[in-house]
Amino acid sequence: DQQVKQNSPSLSVQEGRISILNCDYTNSMFDYFLWYKKYPAEGPTFLISISSIKDKNEDGRFTVFLNKSAKHLSLHIVPSQPGDSAVYFCAASADSGAGSYQLTFGKGTKLSVIP
Amino acid sequence: GAVVSQHPSWVICKSGTSVKIECRSLDFQATTMFWYRQFPKQSLMLMATSNEGSKATYEQGVEKDKFLINHASLTLSTLTVTSAHPEDSSFYICILPRTGGYGYTFGSGTRLTVV
Repeated sequence: DQQVKQNSPSLSVQEGRISILNCDYTNSMFDYFLWYKKYPAEGPTFLISISSIKDKNEDGRFTVFLNKSAKHLSLHIVPSQPGDSAVYFCAASADSGAGSYQLTFGKGTKLSVIP
Repeated sequence: GAVVSQHPSWVICKSGTSVKIECRSLDFQATTMFWYRQFPKQSLMLMATSNEGSKATYEQGVEKDKFLINHASLTLSTLTVTSAHPEDSSFYICILPRTGGYGYTFGSGTRLTVV
């Protein structure tokens, strides 16, 4: 039973355009979400997070949107750059991130930004 | 702040041998550390929760006698894969909830290959 789903295994976007990565979840208790990216042969890099009290969080080129009623979140990258090419994972927690609740991860979406 | 060091980054070992993976928080105290693993094209899956000064909590299906976890101090947790088999080949990563606040800090991960 996959509680966090990334239904698109891959996505290709032209450089300079917007990349939109999607994530759906089923557990209504989740109240903290994050995105991280992973390059081949490297460790994961935290990107951005959002708590359920917000519906949007922005950090530079990265914006995460949360739609609690639809149990859906998305990561927007604009403008996309070739260096953004990586696998992006979303994760969720049933805690505000301050406690000891584990994260539940999606399978990832491989983003390719074409120059 | 919130730096986590995980070693080794990659390791190749022979079947039947044991491998120890270290996860060290460099600038904060971690009473809890999560150990995850990821098989190809799968999500990061929680293996166990490491608790400082007490026994680790293992997820269903994870053999506690095979994956030994020691969390003897507030800055160090180790995962030892004993009698490794090729099917243990995976990406292992520690994830630490940040104390006193919000979010998580990721180790850099360990790519284990058992031959």
